[in-house]
Amino acid sequence: AQSVTQLDSHVSVSEGTPVLLRCNYSSSYSPSLFWYVQHPNKGLQLLLKYTSAATLVKGINGFEAEFKKSETSFHLTKPSAHMSDAAEYFCVVSDPVSNFGNEKLTFGTGTRLTIIP
Amino acid sequence: DTGVSQNPRHKITKRGQNVTFRCDPISEHNRLYWYRQTLGQGPEFLTYFQNEAQLEKSRLLSDRFSAERPKGSFSTLEIQRTEQGDSAMYLCASKPGSGGAWDEQFFGPGTRLTVL
Repeated sequence: AQSVTQLDSHVSVSEGTPVLLRCNYSSSYSPSLFWYVQHPNKGLQLLLKYTSAATLVKGINGFEAEFKKSETSFHLTKPSAHMSDAAEYFCVVSDPVSNFGNEKLTFGTGTRLTIIP
Repeated sequence: DTGVSQNPRHKITKRGQNVTFRCDPISEHNRLYWYRQTLGQGPEFLTYFQNEAQLEKSRLLSDRFSAERPKGSFSTLEIQRTEQGDSAMYLCASKPGSGGAWDEQFFGPGTRLTVL
């Protein structure tokens, strides 16, 4: 079974400072990993995904993540936080060994990012 | 096409009542998923459709839950005899049939259910 662990339930940073949201995964296979963001009253939106093409993945809104197999990590970073980044962030793994094409997603418990003005 | 839509956005019901939610996926996405998200948790997989066929159900989906996708387009999720533990956000997602595990699922805004 695959799983992801988000190491921080809540992260607070000041506007303009770097953001680091930590994620560790467990997988018996080469995983597909994603970061999704959830703003209040809005649907989940894909930030970026890792598909084995490159270990450093760039996403939308200046976010990026680095896949480190030796550490089983996929941490999300951004050099400079903006007020609009305040949201819930989910690290997600997709099951590559699918039943009937069901690549269902397994979510972490989420990290709430607060930006201090 | 404006993405995955879900209706209603909010539903308040009394314990024991039946409720039904609707999901309209992105057109031509033949894979459709339902997830449930409780407060403070990440979404959890409930069930999966490929076209009109329901191919997988989670153990979370008790016999009070039923989902359909009659013509391979929109889907409905019904909960019978609701319980307070059913209170959650119910999310729908879709993706093209040609994709693999590396392709994203597109999520709707969700239906928030409150059972009193």
